[in-house]
Amino acid sequence: QVHLVQSGPEVKKPGASVTVSCKASGNTFASYGISWVRQAPGQGLEWMGWISVYNYKTNYAQKLQGRVTLTTDASTTTVYMELRSLRSDDTAVYYCAQGHSYDAFDIWGQGTMVTVSS
Amino acid sequence: DIQMTQSPSTLSASVGDRVTITCRASQSISSWLAWYQQKPGKAPKLLIHKASNLESGVPPRFSGSGSGTEFTLTISSLQPDDFATYYCQQYNSYSGTFGQGTKVEIK
Repeated sequence: QVHLVQSGPEVKKPGASVTVSCKASGNTFASYGISWVRQAPGQGLEWMGWISVYNYKTNYAQKLQGRVTLTTDASTTTVYMELRSLRSDDTAVYYCAQGHSYDAFDIWGQGTMVTVSS
Repeated sequence: DIQMTQSPSTLSASVGDRVTITCRASQSISSWLAWYQQKPGKAPKLLIHKASNLESGVPPRFSGSGSGTEFTLTISSLQPDDFATYYCQQYNSYSGTFGQGTKVEIK
């Protein structure tokens, strides 16, 4: 079974950018796409966007359009999430998950804490 | 983006109770709805996909129903391990928005 392993915690200043990685074990993507979901402290789940690992097409949440970019490196079975112009309310645990349109999120990474603080 | 509204936000129940959580979509999503369980400090766990399909390994006391804009998650007999927060999610062709969550607490 595929496992998703994310990069470690990050601390950033407001206005900076952060990149979080998500590597599929076994050097294979078992599903059509990878999604990103975040969860601010004490809050619910927020879908950020998804990317097809085959044709690299992306869809992003309207709220994050222009600040978030998802990319994939098929040679290393790794997906990257870049979030720019960070604000304090971007402080959250960021999860990657195997899933896409018409494909529920059945496997999740362990989560990456991103803290935005001056 | 499609909006998802769950009710109630919090639910107090006892072991053995039958529990129902409702999720409403702002427009029709056919059956492209999933339910997740999340415990503190852990990633969400998929329970049900395509509105009523039980994920492999999930106990049969969990069931889902509905289509279009109205959906329900039912736990037929609440067990101690079921006290957690539950989220619905629509995953149609454009987005994957979640409901705000329902916390199931011990009464």
